[in-house]
Amino acid sequence: EVQLLESGGGLVQPGGSLRLSCAASGFTFNNYAMNWVRQAPGKGLEWVSLISNGGGDSSYYADSVKGRFTISRDNSKNTVYLQMNSLRADDTAIYYCARHTTIDYWGQGTLVTVSS
Amino acid sequence: DIVMTQSPLSLPVTLGQPASISCRSSQSLVHSDGNTYVHWFQQRPGQSPRRLINKVSNRDSGVPDRFSGSGSDTDFTLTISRVEAEDVGVYYCMQATHWPRAFGQGTKLEIK
Repeated sequence: EVQLLESGGGLVQPGGSLRLSCAASGFTFNNYAMNWVRQAPGKGLEWVSLISNGGGDSSYYADSVKGRFTISRDNSKNTVYLQMNSLRADDTAIYYCARHTTIDYWGQGTLVTVSS
Repeated sequence: DIVMTQSPLSLPVTLGQPASISCRSSQSLVHSDGNTYVHWFQQRPGQSPRRLINKVSNRDSGVPDRFSGSGSDTDFTLTISRVEAEDVGVYYCMQATHWPRAFGQGTKLEIK
């Protein structure tokens, strides 16, 4: 069974940093691209970033996070990360980890709140 | 960037009746490999999203056959043949042909 478990969310002040993790199980992690998708409170879904399968040589970002967020992966730990710097109030959201370029499985999400 | 526009944004439906959601793209979503990467997701209240339909019309495993997807190029539709109570939630289309990926605004389905 495919499982994706996000962690690392919490309360952070504007301008601060946070690193999210997503631990994957139930599939050959190395073979799949991985995404982060977020959802602000009461709002719709926003794609954030994708890292390619294998060594993760390719990564892509939404314009809203480019230059502030960095996606990475550790295939030895079956984990994908999202390093978030220079956080702003409008980054407040539930952050979901999702598998594959077609987004076939989602995690339960982790809440990030940016507030002073 | 691609903009995905869904309509309606709110969809009250009587149990047992059909429902249809439209999703229009600002550009063609036909990939250079010939595929069209449009997917549909359901998000029930308090839950993570779940994929229903991939690549326009392929129903995912475990998805009831009352759900179907259709369309091409820039116009796509999700149809529920007979709405059931468990279908309440928000439905999103998403394009995965171009970068950056983009979701529609979401359509909230409720029972009348």
